[in-house]
Amino acid sequence: GENVEQHPSTLSVQEGDSAVIKCTYSDSASNYFPWYKQELGKGPQLIIDIRSNVGEKKDQRIAVTLNKTAKHFSLHITETQPEDSAVYFCAARVIYNNNDMRFGAGTRLTVKP
Amino acid sequence: AAGVIQSPRHLIKEKRETATLKCYPIPRHDTVYWYQQGPGQDPQFLISFYEKMQSDKGSIPDRFSAQQFSDYHSELNMSSLELGDSALYFCASSLQGAGANVLTFGAGSRLTVL
Repeated sequence: GENVEQHPSTLSVQEGDSAVIKCTYSDSASNYFPWYKQELGKGPQLIIDIRSNVGEKKDQRIAVTLNKTAKHFSLHITETQPEDSAVYFCAARVIYNNNDMRFGAGTRLTVKP
Repeated sequence: AAGVIQSPRHLIKEKRETATLKCYPIPRHDTVYWYQQGPGQDPQFLISFYEKMQSDKGSIPDRFSAQQFSDYHSELNMSSLELGDSALYFCASSLQGAGANVLTFGAGSRLTVL
């Protein structure tokens, strides 16, 4: 089955700096890679996703890059703000397949004002 | 827009008791997933249903069972509760087919077993 590894487990940056979180996956059949943000006491919220036919996707301050050959993908947050502080999870799954979506272990991001 | 509704939000039970969690997916979503998240852990997949049939099974204990009903809501039944079952239980829903299979999560049900 799919195995997703995520690094780092904790990340602390100054407001305005960039933050990068990296994930690797094991199943070459995986073709959908979402990123979730989880705030305390809430469910994971999708913030951006990418499919395997695209190498990069950007949405305002958030971008995701995918390297299919190396089986890794990254989340980039620019101009970080204190409200970006949360736990971020990457995930991988095979679209159109009812297999479960595997999450990475999560990264606790702290943005210091 | 309507989201995934879970109930109850909080539940306290004693060891060996039974608990039932409910999940109401986004309207027209036909697939429901259950995840368990322990403190400081990533969500672990338990089970999923598509069109009222079990579609995939993860690390769900034999003491747990779940089903999806004709209105697509789902219930997770947990029996002989153990202390280790204390966790956040998330339900997510999606729409199969031409969509992206994007999972939308509910706010979770926090189960505490004493």
